[in-house]
Amino acid sequence: QKEVEQDPGPLSVPEGAIVSLNCTYSNSAFQYFMWYRQYSRKGPELLMYTYSSGNKEDGRFTAQVDKSSKYISLFIRDSQPSDSATYLCAMIPANQAGTALIFGKGTTLSVSS
Amino acid sequence: KAGVTQTPRYLIKTRGQQVTLSCSPISGHRSVSWYQQTPGQGLQFLFEYFSETQRNKGNFPGRFSGRQFSNSRSEMNVSTLELGDSALYLCASSLGAATTEAFFGQGTRLTVV
Repeated sequence: QKEVEQDPGPLSVPEGAIVSLNCTYSNSAFQYFMWYRQYSRKGPELLMYTYSSGNKEDGRFTAQVDKSSKYISLFIRDSQPSDSATYLCAMIPANQAGTALIFGKGTTLSVSS
Repeated sequence: KAGVTQTPRYLIKTRGQQVTLSCSPISGHRSVSWYQQTPGQGLQFLFEYFSETQRNKGNFPGRFSGRQFSNSRSEMNVSTLELGDSALYLCASSLGAATTEAFFGQGTRLTVV
């Protein structure tokens, strides 16, 4: 079992839909959780950063962490064609200095107009 | 503010050769991490440097090495290239020792023939 599991999709939705992207993990030591967006032929772009459990909102994006279920989510409201990309979750244990991120394999999202 | 700069963007090498990739972090950032991204394995951590010292290393063979200079710029080297080394190599920079937010460059696309 991989440490971080993420459904690769592809996920196709119409413009304006609410999108839910999810990751599960097995290491209970993970404390920092991130979501990255990666467009084709580009590097990953940091979207959301959350410490421990709870919700965090930034514009159309909401990140949720449920440590009891070892489950994290990214919600995109009013999705736009420009949101079409691969979304990667990443996480890191609290006791590991530096940025050795453990990534999910990414979910490919396509938003049609 | 300039982002993470990686050079070159594209590279084609022959099996058995060696290659050096370069990364300039965001100004003021002192931590640099390297990742390999392939369709099959996703993003995998190679190593991380802070203040010219390697702090973390992923599960890659010794053919993969790196270093960091006093100006925080970093290089990674792969010797005796194999076909399986074909990948997108990504560099990420972070502010300091305990910072977990990592910002990625565009990557270097290495093709080994």
